[in-house]
Amino acid sequence: DIVMTQSPDSLTVSLGERATISCKSSQNILNTSNNKNYLAWYQQKPGQPPRLLIHWASTRESGVPDRFSGSGSGTDFTLTISSLQAEDVAVYYCHQYYSIHTFGQGTKLEIK
Amino acid sequence: EDQLVQSGAEVKKPGESLKISCKGSGYSFISYYIGWVRQTPGKGLEWMASIHPGDSDTRYSPSFQGQVTISADKSISTVYLQWSSLKASDTAMYYCARQPRYYDTLTGFYRGYYMDVWGKGTTVTVSS
Repeated sequence: DIVMTQSPDSLTVSLGERATISCKSSQNILNTSNNKNYLAWYQQKPGQPPRLLIHWASTRESGVPDRFSGSGSGTDFTLTISSLQAEDVAVYYCHQYYSIHTFGQGTKLEIK
Repeated sequence: EDQLVQSGAEVKKPGESLKISCKGSGYSFISYYIGWVRQTPGKGLEWMASIHPGDSDTRYSPSFQGQVTISADKSISTVYLQWSSLKASDTAMYYCARQPRYYDTLTGFYRGYYMDVWGKGTTVTVSS
């Protein structure tokens, strides 16, 4: 299985500041035949299911604020929140769907 | 609104059987895969299985193959996950999630990809 490793495990950021979460895959998840990275990002708030934020590594889901962006290719990916808002406090997960689906362990984002 | 509505919380004893459900509405149910994802404090999010209600194409994670059975009844837009003999280690939150269907150029088959609509979850507690 492809192992997804996120860093850091937890992150504290001030309101209005940038938050950056890293996700590394143990194998390449770029399909060179269609030039797509098979990676998604989710946000999970307490007591709620995960919510899809980004798929294909950088395609923002409809309704997701544009302060959320995804980047990276191959094995290294990043989720960036450009200006942290109070409602962004959550756990964030990456997910590869290149082969048998696997998820990162999660990154807990809190306000400083 | 596209949504998935899951069945309610369950409390069972080890060795008992269980079937939980996930009903889709607001979209073409037979056009997407539905997957099941287990969440536990210790292992996080784990994909278990997916099914395409339109043609019954079914995929299992090797970790869950033989441990659970996924099925679908497209006439009532519902997907199920069942256990024949529960263990204490099956205690978890179980989510169903919709997965867009794509042709996979890597394998030559169709399968479900990212998870764009999620149910609210079904808590399963297995305890003697």
